[in-house]
Amino acid sequence: EAQVTQNPRYLITVTGKKLTVTCSQNMNHEYMSWYRQDPGLGLRQIYYSMNVEVTDKGDVPEGYKVSRKEKRNFPLILESPSPNQTSLYFCATAGRGLNQPQHFGDGTRLSIL
Amino acid sequence: AQKVTQAQTEISVVEKEDVTLDCVYETRDTTYYLFWYKQPPSGELVFLIRRNSFDEQNEISGRYSWNFQKSTSSFNFTITASQVVDSAVYFCALSEALNDYKLSFGAGTTVTVRA
Repeated sequence: EAQVTQNPRYLITVTGKKLTVTCSQNMNHEYMSWYRQDPGLGLRQIYYSMNVEVTDKGDVPEGYKVSRKEKRNFPLILESPSPNQTSLYFCATAGRGLNQPQHFGDGTRLSIL
Repeated sequence: AQKVTQAQTEISVVEKEDVTLDCVYETRDTTYYLFWYKQPPSGELVFLIRRNSFDEQNEISGRYSWNFQKSTSSFNFTITASQVVDSAVYFCALSEALNDYKLSFGAGTTVTVRA
């Protein structure tokens, strides 16, 4: 079964405590991306990766880091989380080919106190 | 820069009514793709449809239909004979061929279908 798995699904933490949200896919997709969803703003792209060791900034990259050491994994790292990073985060993947539909994970709800 | 506008924040209907969700987009690219996603109360994002800029044919899938009009830069979505299970947030999104992995989303429209 095709899956995009995010962990954790929910996290409440405090300002400044480093955290990592993992994303793993079993579809052998080249493309992976992170989005955050905020009320009234829809989803905004944070970072994306076209392939292993290839990453690039999206629209709202400040305060986030990513890495793509393996094709299946694309972790999102918050080195020093702040309350304005409280949001619902989605990982997405897509296969090769022009404008393929993106497949989303189930989301991770982060609360930074 | 690409942009997607969903002017309707919330729509509430009674079951069996039709509901149309508006989506207006802006792009300088001549080749682009439009998408609709559904986000039910459980929170996941479900892909509904992809349409490329060269295909203006309307599409119907069961109770769902889409009306793409390049002349007005719109890609509207209609749910016919709505059901309670259609209650969700619906997002319209755009990607351009030259930057095809950048997906720009509208703010979403929350549809509530009352029994």
